[in-house]
Amino acid sequence: GAGVSQSPSNKVTEKGKDVELRCDPISGHTALYWYRQRLGQGLEFLIYFQGNSAPDKSGLPSDRFSAERTGESVSTLTIQRTQQEDSAVYLCASSLRVRGANVLTFGAGSRLTVL
Amino acid sequence: SQKIEQNSEALNIQEGKTATLTCNYTNYSPAYLQWYRQDPGRGPVFLLLIRENEKEKRKERLKVTFDTTLKQSLFHITASQPADSATYLCALATVRNAGNMLTFGGGTRLMVKP
Repeated sequence: GAGVSQSPSNKVTEKGKDVELRCDPISGHTALYWYRQRLGQGLEFLIYFQGNSAPDKSGLPSDRFSAERTGESVSTLTIQRTQQEDSAVYLCASSLRVRGANVLTFGAGSRLTVL
Repeated sequence: SQKIEQNSEALNIQEGKTATLTCNYTNYSPAYLQWYRQDPGRGPVFLLLIRENEKEKRKERLKVTFDTTLKQSLFHITASQPADSATYLCALATVRNAGNMLTFGGGTRLMVKP
């Protein structure tokens, strides 16, 4: 596609339920990032995939959070047993490495509300 | 610990003036630094990239400086317009996993008044 596509755009769930958020990156982009943005806050790094290397999971806040990426395509971020503090916008970005630099193209985000 | 600091208070300026936003960092040796713009309800959009061996970059009304001794980047918008009102984020790139991992500052909201 022309841009990074995220789904769902909005998700309301009850505390304790599992949620899956999906990201379709730009075709050919080798790197994919997930960030979390709480209301009025900056972007909090969650996880980073680069090609076939092992993902950098250093930003995942707890073992309730996990992410997978199939090759250089779709990624899924899963949050198990959701808590109210998980409420945030989850942003996905993909990038192509050009002259050693990754410039990110972001999706519009998935807004998660945990009741 | 590593920190990226941007002024969390909103910057209010008059249309036509130059807006200057600051990004300070500690305990990083970034390969490069980027600035992004974020409008409400949207993902950030890339504006400019400056590398560690560059002092200044320009793009139309935008100018970025990068001082690795002071560990600071300044982002300038000249002849500012109300349409420039947004949150501006700086991001530092560190080498990870054969690529670059970007860490973002908290952003500064800019309000340009007509």
